[in-house]
Amino acid sequence: DQQVKQNSPSLSVQEGRISILNCDYTNSMFDYFLWYKKYPAEGPTFLISISSIKDKNEDGRFTVFLNKSAKHLSLHIVPSQPGDSAVYFCALPHGSSNTGKLIFGQGTTLQVKP
Amino acid sequence: NAGVMQNPRHLVRRRGQEARLRCSPMKGHSHVYWYRQLPEEGLKFMVYLQKENIIDESGMPKERFSAEFPKEGPSILRIQQVVRGDSAAYFCASSPPARGSNEQFFGPGTRLTVL
Repeated sequence: DQQVKQNSPSLSVQEGRISILNCDYTNSMFDYFLWYKKYPAEGPTFLISISSIKDKNEDGRFTVFLNKSAKHLSLHIVPSQPGDSAVYFCALPHGSSNTGKLIFGQGTTLQVKP
Repeated sequence: NAGVMQNPRHLVRRRGQEARLRCSPMKGHSHVYWYRQLPEEGLKFMVYLQKENIIDESGMPKERFSAEFPKEGPSILRIQQVVRGDSAAYFCASSPPARGSNEQFFGPGTRLTVL
């Protein structure tokens, strides 16, 4: 069963415009949410996170929004830059155990065109 | 301050051989996680270890796969009698000992190809 879903495998935007990446989850016990960025042939790099007690967290050009009732989070990148082209994963620490393992979405490949 | 290190970066094995993947966590980190990424998929959790202990191996295949994190030295993910379906990127991550830190720091991965 897919507990974390990123329904858009790819996204293409023009440089300077906004990129919006989406993530849906099924288990309401998740209480912390992370976004990772991954370049080819490298490991994922932590980007930004949000706790379930908040509905928004901003860090420079990156903002994550959380809608708990809809079990949905999104990552906004504005303005988008060509260097943002990468695969973006949402990742949720497993809610019902204390092991800390992350449940990843399938990823969205973002291409920012100059 | 070196990050998570993994070696080898690329590993080619023939069916039936053994694969050993190594991971050195970040300095001061005592929690190690292994994930596998198959082509066109996200990362899937395999195992979570602390020094000399396996905490959660719920994502490990029941046969041929094992992991350890000895008191001294790197964590090892071992795959015996590899098959073509084992071809994937294997990522190791580490986190500091304090609970409540959900962020994990990933290594560059080992790309295993089984011929």
